[in-house]
Amino acid sequence: GNSVTQMEGPVTLSEEAFLTINCTYTATGYPSLFWYVQYPGEGLQLLLKATKADDKGSNKGFEATYRKETTSFHLEKGSVQVSDSAVYFCALSDRGSNYKLTFGKGTLLTVNP
Amino acid sequence: EAGVTQFPSHSVIEKGQTVTLRCDPISGHDNLYWYRRVMGKEIKFLLHFVKESKQDESGMPNNRFLAERTGGTYSTLKVQPAELEDSGVYFCASNPSREVQAFFGQGTRLTVV
Repeated sequence: GNSVTQMEGPVTLSEEAFLTINCTYTATGYPSLFWYVQYPGEGLQLLLKATKADDKGSNKGFEATYRKETTSFHLEKGSVQVSDSAVYFCALSDRGSNYKLTFGKGTLLTVNP
Repeated sequence: EAGVTQFPSHSVIEKGQTVTLRCDPISGHDNLYWYRRVMGKEIKFLLHFVKESKQDESGMPNNRFLAERTGGTYSTLKVQPAELEDSGVYFCASNPSREVQAFFGQGTRLTVV
């Protein structure tokens, strides 16, 4: 079956630091990959996605590249802000499972001024 | 366009009581999913509706959980009787047919005491 392993936190950074949150996956088919974010007190929001190998998803300064050879989808941001403090979830879905999402455990990021 | 809406946002009930959670998907979205995040763990799939039909209910934990989607519009998830381990955040998501991206609601935080 499908599974997602992501770096467990919590992660604490200073403002303007570089961020990497690692995510690797196991899937039987050709999944689409996602990063979702949950800001304090809010619901899940899609941060970025990639639907095929070598695609790069990007949004709000965050990037992740779909690496089929290493089955990875690491999230990166060059300079984090206090407002990026949130829980980040890596996830995948595929057609074979009717696009239901398989999530990682989530990584709590705290950015200090 | 209204997003996915969930009611209530919070619910605190005693063990043995009944609680019903509601999800209103985005209008026109045939697919509706329920997920749950138990404290500190990954978000897990519960079930998937296509219109009013249950497509996949493999994630439902036991027969104390009953989901319905009458008329293929809103959905309810009833827990009866609630147990302590049912505490968590219940998310609903929807998307149109063949759409990879799912749109999430704010979630319902259920606390069973």
